[in-house]
Amino acid sequence: EVQLLESGGGLVQPGGSLRLSCAASGFTFSTYAMSWVRQAPGKGLEWVSDISGTNGNTNYADSVKGRFTISRDNSKSTVYLQMNSLRAEDTAVYYCAKDHRVPGRYFDYWGQGTQVTVSS
Amino acid sequence: DIQMTQSPSSVSASVGDRVTITCRASQDISSWLAWYQQKPGKAPKLLIYGASNLQSGVPSRFSGSGSGTDFTLTISSLQPEDFATYYCQHSFPSAFGGGTKVEIK
Repeated sequence: EVQLLESGGGLVQPGGSLRLSCAASGFTFSTYAMSWVRQAPGKGLEWVSDISGTNGNTNYADSVKGRFTISRDNSKSTVYLQMNSLRAEDTAVYYCAKDHRVPGRYFDYWGQGTQVTVSS
Repeated sequence: DIQMTQSPSSVSASVGDRVTITCRASQDISSWLAWYQQKPGKAPKLLIYGASNLQSGVPSRFSGSGSGTDFTLTISSLQPEDFATYYCQHSFPSAFGGGTKVEIK
């Protein structure tokens, strides 16, 4: 059974940093791209970042480029999101999501989400 | 960047109704489109990928169509468990539509 378990969320002051983790199990982690998607309170879904399974290529939304860094440790089946220079508008539930097996960036499994609140 | 626009933003419907949701891409995206269902407090669930392929385990009352810039998600006979918010997503780079809330009439 595929499971994705996010952790690391919490309350942080503007300008601060957080590191989110997503521990995966139930599939061959290293062969799948992984993504982070967020949802601000009462708002829609926003793709944040993704990282390929094989060569580690990364992509970022313009809203987080230069502030967030996605990485993965295939030996631990874990993907990370390092978030620096946090702003109030980064407040959201952050989900990690696994790529579908078919070509394309479709998310067939999601974690339960971790809340990030940026506030003084 | 590709923008995804959904309509309507909300729809009121009754059990048994046929519901159609539209998603428009700002440029040609071929069939690189997915549809998700999200219920309050829960993670999204993949329904359709590649514009028209039903994800394993998803009831056949859900169907997707379209290519290029215009896409639709159809629920042929709305069931009580289908009241939720639906999102379209362009595959790569990922971009979500604004969502369509399906409410009880």
